[in-house]
Amino acid sequence: AQSVSQHNHHVILSEAASLELGCNYSYGGTVNLFWYVQYPGQHLQLLLKYFSGDPLVKGIKGFEAEFIKSKFSFNLRKPSVQWSDTAEYFCAVSPSFSGGYQKVTFGIGTKLQVIP
Amino acid sequence: GAVVSQHPSWVICKSGTSVKIECRSLDFQATTMFWYRQFPKQSLMLMATSNEGSKATYEQGVEKDKFLINHASLTLSTLTVTSAHPEDSSFYICSAPLVGVHAEAFFGQGTRLTVV
Repeated sequence: AQSVSQHNHHVILSEAASLELGCNYSYGGTVNLFWYVQYPGQHLQLLLKYFSGDPLVKGIKGFEAEFIKSKFSFNLRKPSVQWSDTAEYFCAVSPSFSGGYQKVTFGIGTKLQVIP
Repeated sequence: GAVVSQHPSWVICKSGTSVKIECRSLDFQATTMFWYRQFPKQSLMLMATSNEGSKATYEQGVEKDKFLINHASLTLSTLTVTSAHPEDSSFYICSAPLVGVHAEAFFGQGTRLTVV
């Protein structure tokens, strides 16, 4: 079974600071990787995803993540955060099979608080 | 994007009663839906996979007689917490994937269940 580890449970940054949230996974096979975001009072929504190809993936709102296979990592980055990025961020992994969506395992989540 | 609606958003019930939570895919059909539970300061944990027209598949350690799942149509899955106890108090989230290779899933807004 797969598992996901997020290193930072609560991060506080000032606006314009750079962000990097760590995520490591364990699984013996090929994986799909996701970052989800949940803004206060809203649904969990997909920020970005990696299935194959370029290991540097770009998502919405200026976020990007890099898949480093040798490190089993998929860290999330943003060069300059805004107050509106205050939210909880979840890293997730699923086994990679052809034919559709597979069960997703989530990390514990990181609460990001951006101070104006 | 696709929308998944979950109802109710929060519910308080007395110990020993049953509570039903609905998950609807509003603009697409979902033959499969997933039910997650999140305890405070913990990750989202997959409870079960709901399959339209057939029995749900439960994860190890999840009591199928306590958490009844019914996927009666292509747009509706329900989770009934039977004989609820205070330890069942949690945040329950459903998700529904779009069909297709590497499809993504969309999440409901979650249901906060408090059993008193």
